[in-house]
Amino acid sequence: LAKTTQPISMDSYEGQEVNITCSHNNIATNDYITWYQQFPSQGPRFIIQGYKTKVTNEVASLFIPADRKSSTLSLPRVSLSDTAVYYCLARTSGTYKYIFGTGTRLKVLA
Amino acid sequence: GAVVSQHPSRVICKSGTSVKIECRSLDFQATTMFWYRQFPKQSLMLMATSNEGSKATYEQGVEKDKFLINHASLTLSTLTVTSAHPEDSSFYICSARDPSGASGVTSYEQYFGPGTRLTVT
Repeated sequence: LAKTTQPISMDSYEGQEVNITCSHNNIATNDYITWYQQFPSQGPRFIIQGYKTKVTNEVASLFIPADRKSSTLSLPRVSLSDTAVYYCLARTSGTYKYIFGTGTRLKVLA
Repeated sequence: GAVVSQHPSRVICKSGTSVKIECRSLDFQATTMFWYRQFPKQSLMLMATSNEGSKATYEQGVEKDKFLINHASLTLSTLTVTSAHPEDSSFYICSARDPSGASGVTSYEQYFGPGTRLTVT
């Protein structure tokens, strides 16, 4: 049974780099891993998507090791507005069902 | 970018009544739409996958007769919660898939709607 787990919560100060890791032990080998940000009572907002190694866009970086059993979202220099819940999303191996991670509640402090 | 809307954004209904939630892809055609449910302080849980023109595929534990899904066009899917009860109160979120991707890798991205808050009294 595929499990996708994340740390429940993290605190950080403004301007710091934050790394959130998602462990996904049984995901499809031919699909992307995607990370989302969610604010209260809103739908998830796309942050970044990757297949392997490292991907970087204007807001984040995503590191995926060769075994793809985990992925790490890196947010450089967080601000107060980055306080939100962050989720990874991947498809399970075999059934190809989309499964969200357990979510990480990031709180950015001034 | 691809935009997905949901209507209504919030709804309150009485126990025993039915409520319909619409999910629309505004600027792209979605061959597949997904319906998720999210309880407070929990992750999103996939309820069903809806393919245009065919019956939806429900996840284990989701009653298909209670959560009716219709995907009649490439831009619209509806979720009807029938005979709603207080335990159905939740945040319902849809997503739509834009058919694009690199060769050899499945890279379909899900575009999420803003969600619908359902409260059953």
